[in-house]
Amino acid sequence: QKEVEQDPGPLSVPEGAIVSLNCTYSNSAFQYFMWYRQYSRKGPELLMYTYSSGNKEDGRFTAQVDKSSKYISLFIRDSQPSDSATYLCAMSRTGTASKLTFGTGTRLQVTL
Amino acid sequence: EAQVTQNPRYLITVTGKKLTVTCSQNMNHEYMSWYRQDPGLGLRQIYYSMNVEVTDKGDVPEGYKVSRKEKRNFPLILESPSPNQTSLYFCASSPQQPSDSYEQYFGPGTRLTVT
Repeated sequence: QKEVEQDPGPLSVPEGAIVSLNCTYSNSAFQYFMWYRQYSRKGPELLMYTYSSGNKEDGRFTAQVDKSSKYISLFIRDSQPSDSATYLCAMSRTGTASKLTFGTGTRLQVTL
Repeated sequence: EAQVTQNPRYLITVTGKKLTVTCSQNMNHEYMSWYRQDPGLGLRQIYYSMNVEVTDKGDVPEGYKVSRKEKRNFPLILESPSPNQTSLYFCASSPQQPSDSYEQYFGPGTRLTVT
């Protein structure tokens, strides 16, 4: 069983929709949770991060962590065609300068 | 511009022919890492380095070597490439000290095909 599970999609939504992306994990030692966005032919770039359980909002993006359920989510409000990308969840035990364990990524397509 | 660069971006080679993929960062980061990305498997760490002359294995180190002689450079060496090393490779770096973002900065990737 993988440490981090993520639905690969693809997920196709119309412009303006609310998107929900999710990951589950099995290792309770994970403390830091991140979402990376990867455009085609590019390297991943950090979108959101949270420490431990709770919510964090940044513009149209909200990250949620439920450590009791070992479940993290990324919500995108008012989705735009420019949000079309692969979204990777990642987590680590010790934060900066440490090994990241990634999900396989969910490919999102936002259509006009 | 703060960035991680990798070269080459694309490489097709034959089994057994030694190759090196270079990685360089201009942000004075202590931590550097190599990942490979495969469909259905996601990003998996190959090797990482906490600082100059300090390297350690990640999850999938077999068939790879690294060195960290300078802070800015972290080359990935395949001494005898095999077809199962066909993959998309990413180099990443981050500062050692705690920061607000805990971000790892990724390079643009190197697509390697071994025939």
